[in-house]
Amino acid sequence: DQQVKQNSPSLSVQEGRISILNCDYTNSMFDYFLWYKKYPAEGPTFLISISSIKDKNEDGRFTVFLNKSAKHLSLHIVPSQPGDSAVYFCAARNSGNTPLVFGKGTRLSVIA
Amino acid sequence: NAGVMQNPRHLVRRRGQEARLRCSPMKGHSHVYWYRQLPEEGLKFMVYLQKENIIDESGMPKERFSAEFPKEGPSILRIQQVVRGDSAAYFCASSPGQGRASPLHFGNGTRLTVT
Repeated sequence: DQQVKQNSPSLSVQEGRISILNCDYTNSMFDYFLWYKKYPAEGPTFLISISSIKDKNEDGRFTVFLNKSAKHLSLHIVPSQPGDSAVYFCAARNSGNTPLVFGKGTRLSVIA
Repeated sequence: NAGVMQNPRHLVRRRGQEARLRCSPMKGHSHVYWYRQLPEEGLKFMVYLQKENIIDESGMPKERFSAEFPKEGPSILRIQQVVRGDSAAYFCASSPGQGRASPLHFGNGTRLTVT
C-alpha cells in the first residue's frame, strides 16, 4: 500500500526550461511534505518542504505547490540546469515525530 | 561540521553471515533513522531510535534484523544470517529533535551485497 506515489519514473527537460515533478498521496493525515534530491552513490539531500497550512513555498529556482483537496503536490524547477539531473523523492509525514514516507522517485535529466 | 557518517560504504557478505552497518549522526543530533532502498524502489523506513531507546521499529523485519543506538558510539544496524534479498542500500538519517520542521539529514549509505 503505497501512501506516496510518484507516477513518472523519469523526466527529460531541456536546459533553461521548467521541470515539473509530481507527487500524489493517499493518507489525509499527512501534513508536512518534503522533496529530496539524490545523486548516484550519495544519500538524499533535503531540497524544500511545505506545511499543509500553505499552498506554495518558494526557494530560489525551486517552488513546491500543494493541493490538499487533490492530495497532490508538485515541484517546479525553473530554469532547469544540467546540475539538477538527479533522482527526486517526494516524502510526507503527519504530526509528531512519525517517520517520513517516501515515494519511489523520479529521475530528472536536464539536457544541455 | 561533519554530516551523517556511515561505514562501511560497501559491504559484501556471503549468505548466512552477519552484516553490521554503522552510523554516526550529525553533531548535536540525537534522533537516528534507518531506511532501506531496494533497486528501483524508494526508501523504506525501518527503525527510529533515540539514545538508548528504540522509538519505532514498525518497518523492521521481525527476524534477523536489530538496531541499537547506545549512549556512546554510533548507531548499529545488524543483520544476522543474511540472504540475497537483503542486498540493498541502507541509509541512515539524523535529526536534532522532534517536530515536522526538522528535516532528516542522510548519510551516503552502505551498499550491502549478499553473494
